[in-house]
Amino acid sequence: DAKTTQPPSMDCAEGRAANLPCNHSTISGNEYVYWYRQIHSQGPQYIIHGLKNNETNEMASLIITEDRKSSTLILPHATLRDTAVYYCIVRPTDSWGKLQFGAGTQVVVTP
Amino acid sequence: DAGITQSPRHKVTETGTPVTLRCHQTENHRYMYWYRQDPGHGLRLIHYSYGVKDTDKGEVSDGYSVSRSKTEDFLLTLESATSSQTSVYFCAISSGSSYNEQFFGPGTRLTVL
Repeated sequence: DAKTTQPPSMDCAEGRAANLPCNHSTISGNEYVYWYRQIHSQGPQYIIHGLKNNETNEMASLIITEDRKSSTLILPHATLRDTAVYYCIVRPTDSWGKLQFGAGTQVVVTP
Repeated sequence: DAGITQSPRHKVTETGTPVTLRCHQTENHRYMYWYRQDPGHGLRLIHYSYGVKDTDKGEVSDGYSVSRSKTEDFLLTLESATSSQTSVYFCAISSGSSYNEQFFGPGTRLTVL
């Protein structure tokens, strides 16, 4: 059963912020939200994760709503190299890493 | 980049032949995983390991076996390959920390004719 819902695709202009939504309305209190991305033909790459609070790292920001039923991944200044499939995944804190990937969002960054 | 290699990177084989894929890591991470990726299915977990000689099944384990005799190596074996096992196979590792981010290898493209 899919635990997350993401739009199948979205476009973004180079240099602009890309805001990727994810719904996880059945998330449990002990589940993290993870984001990975997969550039064509490569292995997935970890981006960021969070539990309750908003998080930021060198790649992206993660905004989690107060009720935790949805989140948004923000790529602040999209580049052509950010073209990829982005996966939003929820995972229990005690499951030591078994990830369940959905279909993700295909993001295309255009010049 | 995490030190993960997969071999071979590409393989074409015939139905009924045994195939072994190797995942090698230099990070000394405890956990290792094998996924397969097919169009329309995303990545699906085949088997995983939580230590030397400690393995367990994932969601699509039928037709696959694994072995881990050393921390650094995780082998995936198709005892008798079938065309339905044509796929791209990814290995991943994680340290088992509370974050448990996984690092993925470059993948092996397997074609079973």
